[in-house]
Amino acid sequence: EPEVTQTPSHQVTQMGQEVILRCVPISNHLYFYWYRQILGQKVEFLVSFYNNEISEKSEIFDDQFSVERPDGSNFTLKIRSTKLEDSAMYFCASNPGTVNGYTFGSGTRLTVV
Amino acid sequence: AQSVTQLDSHVSVSEGTPVLLRCNYSSSYSPSLFWYVQHPNKGLQLLLKYTSAATLVKGINGFEAEFKKSETSFHLTKPSAHMSDAAEYFCVVSDLDSSYKLIFGSGTRLLVRP
Repeated sequence: EPEVTQTPSHQVTQMGQEVILRCVPISNHLYFYWYRQILGQKVEFLVSFYNNEISEKSEIFDDQFSVERPDGSNFTLKIRSTKLEDSAMYFCASNPGTVNGYTFGSGTRLTVV
Repeated sequence: AQSVTQLDSHVSVSEGTPVLLRCNYSSSYSPSLFWYVQHPNKGLQLLLKYTSAATLVKGINGFEAEFKKSETSFHLTKPSAHMSDAAEYFCVVSDLDSSYKLIFGSGTRLLVRP
């Protein structure tokens, strides 16, 4: 069964550093997403990406965040200058244009120290 | 706007007894609803989904949920709990106004006592 692949599974970074979280969505999917889960809290939507541009973003997704699909397979989330409160599990997801095919990756745990 | 409310932050049951995790939704049109499970330090696994077909939806590991429009509910049930069911459960609604983003409830932690 096709999977959404995220790398790395864990990342530790110093406050103020830039991080890039990587995702390989399912190849024939059209919509790509990033969600965030702060430890012990619910999963929150960050951003959706369709047709090579952001289609929607939440209030959390401020100027410190950016997304990119640099080639036909990768989908990245960049945090320009990390803060302690960016520590969270970040999930990538994709779907083929309906909710039925929604698939999540296994997540990247980001720890900012 | 779509939203879901999970009525219990924690539920504790004995192994072999029924499980009921409650969820109410708010939606301006017929929603797509999901239950996801998250085991400790793991990712999100889809248990089941409702997308306007049969109102009683069967999922993996013996879980099922019933969509009740009159009550705006989508409660998750299982006849007999196993120890391996201990996890966090999220009720989720899809926001069809936008790019199919998912809106998660606050979660219910299920504890299964031996």
